[in-house]
Amino acid sequence: AQSVSQHNHHVILSEAASLELGCNYSYGGTVNLFWYVQYPGQHLQLLLKYFSGDPLVKGIKGFEAEFIKSKFSFNLRKPSVQWSDTAEYFCAVGGNNRLAFGKGNQVVVIP
Amino acid sequence: EAQVTQNPRYLITVTGKKLTVTCSQNMNHEYMSWYRQDPGLGLRQIYYSMNVEVTDKGDVPEGYKVSRKEKRNFPLILESPSPNQTSLYFCASSFSPRGPYEQYFGPGTRLTVT
Repeated sequence: AQSVSQHNHHVILSEAASLELGCNYSYGGTVNLFWYVQYPGQHLQLLLKYFSGDPLVKGIKGFEAEFIKSKFSFNLRKPSVQWSDTAEYFCAVGGNNRLAFGKGNQVVVIP
Repeated sequence: EAQVTQNPRYLITVTGKKLTVTCSQNMNHEYMSWYRQDPGLGLRQIYYSMNVEVTDKGDVPEGYKVSRKEKRNFPLILESPSPNQTSLYFCASSFSPRGPYEQYFGPGTRLTVT
């Protein structure tokens, strides 16, 4: 079964700072990788996904992620965060008919 | 509007009193799933369904039941709830579990078992 590891569970940064969240996965088959975001009090929404092709994928709200197969990683980045990016971010890997989530990164952006 | 709906959104109950949380999607998705979200643990899959009458256990199925009699509905049943089932529950659906198909999530049901 697949598994996902996310680091730095709590991140606090100021507006305009850059954000990078790490995600490492474990799965032997063809992976489909996702980043979801959960704004306070809301349900999960898809930020971006990767399944093949260009390993650098762009998502909504200026987010991007890079798939590095040799490192089993799918790190999320945003060059300049805004207060409205305060949320919890989840990395997920799809495979074996299931979606496995990491434990999440709580990101707080200070105005 | 394409969506996943859950009811109720909030529920406080007592230990042992059977309850059902409903989930419905209007996107004709084959795949549906239930997750629970707990602080520091992320989302953990409870049960999933590949299609009507096809269900399977996820990572934390103990204490839960599901059924998939219709394509659009996937209720979660707690026959005898216990306090350790206090959690935030999300239903999700997807066109297919295979390939790059994102899961669409419902608004969540916050359950408290006293």
